[in-house]
Amino acid sequence: TQLLEQSPQFLSIQEGENLTVYCNSSSVFSSLQWYRQEPGEGPVLLVTVVTGGEVKKLKRLTFQFGDARKDSSLHITAAQPGDTGLYLCAGASGANNLFFGTGTRLTVIP
Amino acid sequence: GAVVSQHPSWVICKSGTSVKIECRSLDFQATTMFWYRQFPKQSLMLMATSNEGSKATYEQGVEKDKFLINHASLTLSTLTVTSAHPEDSSFYICSAPRAGGRTEAFFGQGTRLTVV
Repeated sequence: TQLLEQSPQFLSIQEGENLTVYCNSSSVFSSLQWYRQEPGEGPVLLVTVVTGGEVKKLKRLTFQFGDARKDSSLHITAAQPGDTGLYLCAGASGANNLFFGTGTRLTVIP
Repeated sequence: GAVVSQHPSWVICKSGTSVKIECRSLDFQATTMFWYRQFPKQSLMLMATSNEGSKATYEQGVEKDKFLINHASLTLSTLTVTSAHPEDSSFYICSAPRAGGRTEAFFGQGTRLTVV
């Protein structure tokens, strides 16, 4: 099993603040994906990063893949209540295998 | 719209009974589907990989006789929890890889199982 540790596990911040979520592993992945999950629903894909050092932006969300393709970060600028949810990183290794991180539960307080 | 449909979204059953959960890919074929289990406030734990036309591959520690998986067609995989017990209560989610050899997945809406 390839472990992906996310930190922090829980995060509660005020609307307008910035935050960073980290996803770390000792394994190398061919790609790394970030998902967001709302309560009672399945995860929804936010982004995929493939190249070491790659940075992708999705509005107020910035995703970075580590140079060695073992870690990733998600930075949210000016967080909004709509950003509340469970954020999951997932590393891809081999054909169709996804290994999910431990998850970060974000609460943005209005 | 949803491209992977999971049914039912929630179910309550008595201990000792069996429950079947369906996972359908809409508008695309999925030779492989994945079944996950998620405990409250935790991440997804892969239970098994469902393979169309062959036996499912179970992760270590998952009882294959308790969690029966059938991938009868290219658009349908089912998970049957047999002789359910309260400790089987959980959120079960299926997924199917996106087409074109991509590793990203479409997820079903999940099924909340409560065993009383």
